[in-house]
Amino acid sequence: GNSVTQMEGPVTLSEEAFLTINCTYTATGYPSLFWYVQYPGEGLQLLLKATKADDKGSNKGFEATYRKETTSFHLEKGSVQVSDSAVYFCALSEINDMRFGAGTRLTVKP
Amino acid sequence: EAGVTQFPSHSVIEKGQTVTLRCDPISGHDNLYWYRRVMGKEIKFLLHFVKESKQDESGMPNNRFLAERTGGTYSTLKVQPAELEDSGVYFCASSPRLAGGKETQYFGPGTRLLVL
Repeated sequence: GNSVTQMEGPVTLSEEAFLTINCTYTATGYPSLFWYVQYPGEGLQLLLKATKADDKGSNKGFEATYRKETTSFHLEKGSVQVSDSAVYFCALSEINDMRFGAGTRLTVKP
Repeated sequence: EAGVTQFPSHSVIEKGQTVTLRCDPISGHDNLYWYRRVMGKEIKFLLHFVKESKQDESGMPNNRFLAERTGGTYSTLKVQPAELEDSGVYFCASSPRLAGGKETQYFGPGTRLLVL
């Protein structure tokens, strides 16, 4: 069945550092891919998404490209801020069947 | 537009007690989902409603869990009797019913359940 594997955390970075959180997936068809973020004390928020191969999702300086050949959807940001500290979840959805990774906690220190 | 809301935000109960969680989806969203995240693990699907009908309840862990969506608006998830392993964060999500079946799901803030 469909599944998502993402980089284990926690990840601790200094402000302005480059961020990569790896995500790979297994799917039988052609899923949509998502990154969700959960800030402290809040619910899950959609950060970005991509619906087909080679699509790039982007939002708030974060980017991820849907790579079918490597079945990956890695999250990147060129310069993180303290306010980016949160838990990040990679997810895929195929006909309303959504699967999540375990989440990666990111802490950004000033 | 109001987002998905969940009540309560936190619940602490003793083993054997009953707890009912509520989810109000975004108005007009036919799809409603329940998920659970046990401490530090992945978010797992519990079930999916389309309006008032259960479309998929394959993720419900056992018969101590009962979900309802009477009238196709808000939903409740009852755990009776609660066990220690039921502790976790319960998320609700909703999405509109569009062609293609790849609608973005919008999540609520979650209910943190602790069973002692």
